Amino acid sequence: DAGVIQSPRHEVTEMGQEVTLRCKPISGHDYLFWYRQTMMRGLELLIYFNNNVPIDDSGMPEDRFSAKMPNASFSTLKIQPSEPRDSAVYFCASRTGTGLNTEAFFGQGTRLTVV
Amino acid sequence: AQSVAQPEDQVNVAEGNPLTVKCTYSVSGNPYLFWYVQYPNRGLQFLLKYITGDNLVKGSYGFEAEFNKSQTSFHLKKPSALVSDSALYFCAVRDNNAGNMLTFGGGTRLMVKP
Repeated sequence: DAGVIQSPRHEVTEMGQEVTLRCKPISGHDYLFWYRQTMMRGLELLIYFNNNVPIDDSGMPEDRFSAKMPNASFSTLKIQPSEPRDSAVYFCASRTGTGLNTEAFFGQGTRLTVV
Repeated sequence: AQSVAQPEDQVNVAEGNPLTVKCTYSVSGNPYLFWYVQYPNRGLQFLLKYITGDNLVKGSYGFEAEFNKSQTSFHLKKPSALVSDSALYFCAVRDNNAGNMLTFGGGTRLMVKP
């Protein structure tokens, strides 16, 4: 398996534009997580899905952020409209649901810069 | 609520010397503990985990960690550091009473100098 795949690796956009980040989890993993990493706040969990259903989105900072998982092999994180303070590295991670002791596998991240 | 503390922003060690990266946690139930490493411009890579059993856990790249319930700690260790170990290290905890939420510490940057 190629691991968790995220695209794009880098995104530069202007304030006010819509941004869509994409993630393909590892095949067979039924949990998917979106994290945001910044120098100031470290790693923050934004939202996670189980079997394509959003379970906890309490970490989503504002209504400008939304996430979907239309099927087991694809998820998107959308920011509309984007703002400079959204600049961060966004990670997607997945893991199997067999017990709580399984580790999550992370993608390489999308570095978002909003100017 | 569960939480993780990594008290050191940076740890400096000379190559060949032992290293320790500290982590303490707080949970209401039994903890599942993890260490991840992040190299520049890369995602987090799993190093090791403690679920139950032996308090000393061995993981990838010669790293190990010791679970200490009384001190609520899970320090990462390696007997002999390599320059290539220089990276950002994250400790994480999952409370078995808190479902699937994995909480990360703030990270510790390890610098190994030749």
